[in-house]
Amino acid sequence: GAGVSQSPRYKVAKRGQDVALRCDPISGHVSLFWYQQALGQGPEFLTYFQNEAQLDKSGLPSDRFFAERPEGSVSTLKIQRTQQEDSAVYLCASSLSSGKALHTGELFFGEGSRLTVL
Amino acid sequence: QKEVEQNSGPLSVPEGAIASLNCTYSDRGSQSFFWYRQYSGKSPELIMFIYSNGDKEDGRFTAQLNKASQYVSLLIRDSQPSDSATYLCAVKNSGGYQKVTFGTGTKLQVIP
Repeated sequence: GAGVSQSPRYKVAKRGQDVALRCDPISGHVSLFWYQQALGQGPEFLTYFQNEAQLDKSGLPSDRFFAERPEGSVSTLKIQRTQQEDSAVYLCASSLSSGKALHTGELFFGEGSRLTVL
Repeated sequence: QKEVEQNSGPLSVPEGAIASLNCTYSDRGSQSFFWYRQYSGKSPELIMFIYSNGDKEDGRFTAQLNKASQYVSLLIRDSQPSDSATYLCAVKNSGGYQKVTFGTGTKLQVIP
């Protein structure tokens, strides 16, 4: 696709429900990031994929959060037993490159999935 | 200490003035630095990147980098009301892959 696509755009969940958020990155982009953005805050890193490999999951706040990218394209962020503190916008971003080149690193963001946990 | 620090603002400037946005970072090995603009309710979009000490100009925007002081800034000349947004400073870490860490953002308000 032309850009990064995320779905659903809005999700309301009752506390304790499981949710799944989908990200379809720009075709051919090697790197894929998930960020969590609370109201009035900057994006907080959750996890990073290079193709299908999850190279960094240090930002996942608890073991209720799980992400996968099984074929190196579409990614899913799953949150089990949602809590009110999980309410945030979940941003997916992709990047063409994967290496250390200085000038690379531009992230292309999707519109985000706004999760509200009641 | 947060990895990337910004003053949350809001920073208010009159239309036509210069807006100056600042950012400091903690990872001395960081090599690439980015400024993203985020309009309310929208996703961030890249407006500038810089990786060499000094200034980089692109239209009304100038990014400044001082690695010795671990300081990055963004100047917006001839500020317009359409520049009103949150400006996010982002740093590409010195690790083995391009993890990008964001600051909390500075909210800019350009007053007509």
